[in-house]
Amino acid sequence: AQSVTQPDIHITVSEGASLELRCNYSYGATPYLFWYVQSPGQGLQLLLKYFSGDTLVQGIKGFEAEFKRSQSSFNLRKPSVHWSDAAEYFCAAGGSGNTGKLIFGQGTTLQVKP
Amino acid sequence: ETGVTQTPRHLVMGMTNKKSLKCEQHLGHNAMYWYKQSAKKPLELMFVYSLEERVENNSVPSRFSPECPNSSHLFLHLHTLQPEDSALYLCASSQARLNTGELFFGEGSRLTVL
Repeated sequence: AQSVTQPDIHITVSEGASLELRCNYSYGATPYLFWYVQSPGQGLQLLLKYFSGDTLVQGIKGFEAEFKRSQSSFNLRKPSVHWSDAAEYFCAAGGSGNTGKLIFGQGTTLQVKP
Repeated sequence: ETGVTQTPRHLVMGMTNKKSLKCEQHLGHNAMYWYKQSAKKPLELMFVYSLEERVENNSVPSRFSPECPNSSHLFLHLHTLQPEDSALYLCASSQARLNTGELFFGEGSRLTVL
């Protein structure tokens, strides 16, 4: 079955520290991969996406993610976290023939300590 | 207005009430979606409309009834709901047939069923 797993439900980091959020997927073929962020009371905003090509993708707000086929992973990283990054982060996967039918992970809540 | 707009942002209803959620997208997209977001659970795809035709219904109970009168508007009609239907309902849109899977979300309608 197709699935997306975010192993960490909750992560706390200090402001200025580096961040890595994990995402693993199970899919029949190489899926399209996405990271979304949701601030409290808001909808989901796209941070970055991977379709093909360069396995390191850059996104908004200083985020990047690396696709590793051998590990079925698409981890999100940021070298220096800001207090405004506190939010919930969702990894999602979809196929070329399934526009909009994304499979979402359970989400990781990021807390940033001053 | 830009993006995807959802109204109302908050709704409280009894189990015998009938209410509707409204979504409007100003992005020129031709596919629209309803997702349900419950606490501690991944986002669940409920309905997909592509070119105003329902192309997906993920075994959603009949007490939820979608309507897509045109490519810019999407409604979710609610009647005789149960307390477990309390959740954040997210509307999204995309450009169908591009096969990029990228979704643009509204801020959600927070539904509480008493």
